[in-house]
Amino acid sequence: DTGVSQNPRHKITKRGQNVTFRCDPISEHNRLYWYRQTLGQGPEFLTYFQNEAQLEKSRLLSDRFSAERPKGSFSTLEIQRTEQGDSAMYLCASSAGLVGQPQHFGDGTRLSIL
Amino acid sequence: AQRVTQPEKLLSVFKGAPVELKCNYSYSGSPELFWYVQYSRQRLQLLLRHISRESIKGFTADLNKGETSFHLKKPVAQEEDSAMYYCALTGYSGGYQKVTFGTGTKLQVIP
Repeated sequence: DTGVSQNPRHKITKRGQNVTFRCDPISEHNRLYWYRQTLGQGPEFLTYFQNEAQLEKSRLLSDRFSAERPKGSFSTLEIQRTEQGDSAMYLCASSAGLVGQPQHFGDGTRLSIL
Repeated sequence: AQRVTQPEKLLSVFKGAPVELKCNYSYSGSPELFWYVQYSRQRLQLLLRHISRESIKGFTADLNKGETSFHLKKPVAQEEDSAMYYCALTGYSGGYQKVTFGTGTKLQVIP
């Protein structure tokens, strides 16, 4: 297992366009998390899944954002009608979901809005 | 609301000196606390967690519930310790999990 994989690594798009990111977690992990990180800040929690169920969403996740994990394996994060403020690093992490278990992070997708 | 505070954005120490990276938290229940590290051009990775009370790469962290702190310590800093360090708290509300990271501290070990 190569760990958590995220694609693409970089995405440059024009304001107003839609973008979709993919995350492949560690195969035996049932929890999957999405974070956003901007310069000088720590990762900010966006949402997480337990298997295919989306259990918690942050207020940061506006109605332009949607995340799915259709079969409890990979997940996608879509941003519609992108805005300048969406420029950030989007991180995915997975964990075994047991108490005290750490998260394993991917390399992230860097989104730049022109 | 849960909160994690790392008061120092940058901490510079000389090689061989002791290191202490501060982390304070705010949470009404029993927290799960972690330290994550990000070395240059690498992904974020776990350094240690309070539940296992272990020492990793010479680092230790003790949960002090009275002071709501989880400071990271190492008695002798090495150049390879230079990295970004994040304190993180996992809390539960209504059965759902929420993870809060601090803003991070950049540790610079001067040769």
